[in-house]
Amino acid sequence: GAGVSQSPSNKVTEKGKDVELRCDPISGHTALYWYRQSLGQGLEFLIYFQGNSAPDKSGLPSDRFSAERTGGSVSTLTIQRTQQEDSAVYLCASSLIATSNTGELFFGEGSRLTVL
Amino acid sequence: GNSVTQMEGPVTLSEEAFLTINCTYTATGYPSLFWYVQYPGEGLQLLLKATKADDKGSNKGFEATYRKETTSFHLEKGSVQVSDSAVYFCALSALEYSGNTPLVFGKGTRLSVIA
Repeated sequence: GAGVSQSPSNKVTEKGKDVELRCDPISGHTALYWYRQSLGQGLEFLIYFQGNSAPDKSGLPSDRFSAERTGGSVSTLTIQRTQQEDSAVYLCASSLIATSNTGELFFGEGSRLTVL
Repeated sequence: GNSVTQMEGPVTLSEEAFLTINCTYTATGYPSLFWYVQYPGEGLQLLLKATKADDKGSNKGFEATYRKETTSFHLEKGSVQVSDSAVYFCALSALEYSGNTPLVFGKGTRLSVIA
């Protein structure tokens, strides 16, 4: 597709279950980012992939969160043993190169996660 | 560390009113500054940017000037329209020894424009 695609768009799960969120970046974009958007908290950086370099995981809130990017394209964000405070919109973005001075990230519409 | 603080909303204005959304930042290194906009039901998109002090970014009638002396990047528009109703995010990316940092965003300001 032309833009960043995320799935599912909505996910409701029970506390303690694992969830996987998928991101399909724009073709040819080497950089991929995951952010979390919580009510009243703005966008919180989670993890960043750039080409074949080791990912920047500095924003992951706990070891229940992990992400991988296969073949330099599709990425999956996994949350294990979900907690209610994990409820948020998870946003994926991609860019042609690392952020640099352009700052132009292309965002998907997000995956809304609700943990009951 | 790097951070962005923007005015809390929501902001409600009448059509053709003047808009200011304040944004200040704290950064190590040399930041570039951005405004992103999120229209209802859509993903965030870049509105404008400025990469060095005194630069003015502009787009769609919006403007923001990079003020190093006041560490600010306030968003302005002279005459808002109903179609400008959205959430606006101020953001920065700082150049550090390891390269440019991922974008750091403010909490967002919701703008509602009424006819």
